[in-house]
Amino acid sequence: ETGVTQTPRHLVMGMTNKKSLKCEQHLGHNAMYWYKQSAKKPLELMFVYNFKEQTENNSVPSRFSPECPNSSHLFLHLHTLQPEDSALYLCASGTGTTYNEQFFGPGTRLTVL
Amino acid sequence: GDSVTQMEGPVTLSEEAFLTINCTYTATGYPSLFWYVQYPGEGLQLLLKATKADDKGSNKGFEATYRKETTSFHLEKGSVQVSDSAVYFCALSENTGNQFYFGTGTSLTVIP
Repeated sequence: ETGVTQTPRHLVMGMTNKKSLKCEQHLGHNAMYWYKQSAKKPLELMFVYNFKEQTENNSVPSRFSPECPNSSHLFLHLHTLQPEDSALYLCASGTGTTYNEQFFGPGTRLTVL
Repeated sequence: GDSVTQMEGPVTLSEEAFLTINCTYTATGYPSLFWYVQYPGEGLQLLLKATKADDKGSNKGFEATYRKETTSFHLEKGSVQVSDSAVYFCALSENTGNQFYFGTGTSLTVIP
């Protein structure tokens, strides 16, 4: 496979569940990102990893917990979410260097009941 | 702080019409500017970019020029097609490369 892949593509969970989103990139990039996309709002950058080290955490609630075991894989662990967390969660990768563009996966559509 | 403002949608055009989607930005340094496109059910794809003032990015008939004096990066296409129907996002990246700022997106529908 090429590019950035995300699984699952759709997820429905209750507020007491624990689930994880997975992202994998096959582009040889060193930086990976999680974004939240909600209707009528700008894309929100949640977390940034560069060379497996978390370099940005944009005031994201602790019910979202990222994990980056290597430069190709990124996870977002979810627990005790709220209905307002329902959104499209996008993963992206990039070179992490100046002027780099980001390459996005198709996203996971999350619904919290 | 840094931010991107783009025109509200939705925009509906007839095939072969001229397209302009306005984008202005606020940045503390010298950012790179991008246009991304999102087709239904997909993630964002890079459409074009410009890394310094007066640069023009172009791809698939779309163009945008980095205007430092007006802090703008408007997207244009001379003749849109039905297949251009999508949501378009303007974005900037500060020169550290780690922080990306996106606009709210502009939905474009092209009708035959």
